[in-house]
Parts: sequence; C-alpha cells; structure tokens
Amino acid sequence: GAVVSQHPSRVICKSGTSVKIECRSLDFQATTMFWYRQFPKQSLMLMATSNEGSKATYEQGVEKDKFLINHASLTLSTLTVTSAHPEDSSFYICSARADFGVETQYFGPGTRLLVL
Amino acid sequence: GENVEQHPSTLSVQEGDSAVIKCTYSDSASNYFPWYKQELGKGPQLIIDIRSNVGEKKDQRIAVTLNKTAKHFSLHITETQPEDSAVYFCAASISGTASKLTFGTGTRLQVTL
Repeated sequence: GAVVSQHPSRVICKSGTSVKIECRSLDFQATTMFWYRQFPKQSLMLMATSNEGSKATYEQGVEKDKFLINHASLTLSTLTVTSAHPEDSSFYICSARADFGVETQYFGPGTRLLVL
Repeated sequence: GENVEQHPSTLSVQEGDSAVIKCTYSDSASNYFPWYKQELGKGPQLIIDIRSNVGEKKDQRIAVTLNKTAKHFSLHITETQPEDSAVYFCAASISGTASKLTFGTGTRLQVTL
C-alpha cells in the first residue's frame, strides 16, 4: 500500500516551454501533497504544499507564478513549470500524506527535468 | 523554523558491520522523526519512523533511537548488506494540519564487500 506515482519519469524540453508533472496516489486518498526539488548530491527542498480543493502554499523564494500547482482531486496533484529555463533543470519529487492526523509522507519516484 | 543537522555526510562500512547515522534538531516542538532511503535516481523510501512518545523503535535490522532532551535521534543498521548502500535522510516535523518535513543533509552509505 501507500504507492505514489509520477509522470513523466524524465522530460527534456526547450527553454521557454512549459512542462507539466503529474503526481498520483494510487491506493489511498491524499488530503495533502507536497512538491520538492532536489539538486545533485543535495537534500530535498520543499517547494510547496497543496491541499485538495484549495490554493497551494509556497515556500519562501519559490515563485508561485512559475511553478503552478493544482490539486483538483484527492488522488492527483500537478506541477507545471512555466517558461522553463536551464536553471530549472532538477529532480522534482512529490509526496502524499493520507490524513491530517498522520504525518507520514509517501514519495513518488521523481521526475528528472532537463531544460535545454 | 526547524533546522536538522545530519552526520556523517559519507559512511563506508564493510558488509556485516553496523552503521550509525545521527541527526539533531532545533525545535523542541518537533514530535515526528522519519528516516528515508534514497537510491540513485529514485524517490525517497520510508524505512522507519518514530514519534516522541517512544525512545526506541526496531524493525528487523533497522532501529531508531530518540533523545528528546538532547534533541537528537539516530538510525542504526546492523548486519549491513551491499543493498543497504544508498543515501539516507533524516527528517523532523511537528504534528498538525500544517505539518511539513524538514530534512537533514543526507548520508551516503557505502557497504563494501
């Protein structure tokens, strides 16, 4: 149980284009999903927290207009990197938490984004 | 906000030996401490977690200890195997609707034959 999937697993795009990453909880309903970014050999950095049906909460320094998050259902959250640039190249990982009273986060397999 | 420090950054042990990774946290209100294993190119996988109402938890070869007074917690892996080689992250959070994890910097564990 507690499986989280991400799609695509890797994507290469040209500078200036937008990329959408999907995060799904496969066998549970996720009231809260999180989006992280991880650069090589570094820790996970939280970008934003999204609750189903409400606006995402972004961490300081993360541009909400550049990283659009939609959490339209209890099993799906999407992250759209708008007008991507080479510095946005990174490993993007989502996680899902099943219930407000349980802190456990289950992570997806990650999406590697390369912007040329 | 919460700050989590993790040591060592790299750890090399021989197969069969034990490995210990230590973390300290700054916010005394933190009460949930998970450990994640991340293999190259993959997402983190939860391997064990502990809540502040217990001091130790064990799951086969893996154990975690928590010292609330000193604000530190440790991961212990016994009888290490090559497949234990990975990056391990500790994290801390405070229970609640706004709960979010603060991660340590990671420990790269290499188990050699």
